Amino acid sequence: DVKVTQSSRYLVKRTGEKVFLECVQDMDHENMFWYRQDPGLGLRLIYFSYDVKMKEKGDIPEGYSVSREKKERFSLILESASTNQTSMYLCASSPHGLAGRGGYEQYFGPGTRLTVT
Amino acid sequence: KQEVTQIPAALSVPEGENLVLNCSFTDSAIYNLQWFRQDPGKGLTSLLLIQSSQREQTSGRLNASLDKSSGRSTLYIAASQPGDSATYLCAVKSNDMRFGAGTRLTVKP
Repeated sequence: DVKVTQSSRYLVKRTGEKVFLECVQDMDHENMFWYRQDPGLGLRLIYFSYDVKMKEKGDIPEGYSVSREKKERFSLILESASTNQTSMYLCASSPHGLAGRGGYEQYFGPGTRLTVT
Repeated sequence: KQEVTQIPAALSVPEGENLVLNCSFTDSAIYNLQWFRQDPGKGLTSLLLIQSSQREQTSGRLNASLDKSSGRSTLYIAASQPGDSATYLCAVKSNDMRFGAGTRLTVKP
């Protein structure tokens, strides 16, 4: 069965802290994605990766960075957390495709609700 | 830039009704369209994936159709149940993935 896991369901951090959100998939998928979801704005793509050590900016990469050292793990990093980064963060993966293209299904993790105070 | 719209934003129906959720998109050059379900505070669960070459997909009481030329997809839910209450999102895959804002469905017992 397809599985995407995220390291925390809920996280509370202070302004200025460095925050790591981890995502692991066990499906040997090439593509992995980080989204944030906010009321009234829907899901927005932050970054994606189509291979180990490869990354591409999404729609809203400012204030974030990512790391993909192993195929199964994709990390989202908030270098200096700010209150406007309070959100639900969703990780997803999908098989195959160059640069996130292709016709394959995306599978999502359970989400991390991050609050920055 | 692809834009995805879902109408209505919210829907409330009595148990047992058949219902249709709508999704429209502006650029017909898509790879696929995916319908998701999201329960409050949770991640997205994939319901159906329709490739651009397909017209419809079925899973149990769910049927999704795709009309690329008109930029529309519908999700049909037969014999709705209170457990179907959730937000339903459609997402269109072109060069990237674009999500609609969702339809919040409430099925009343």
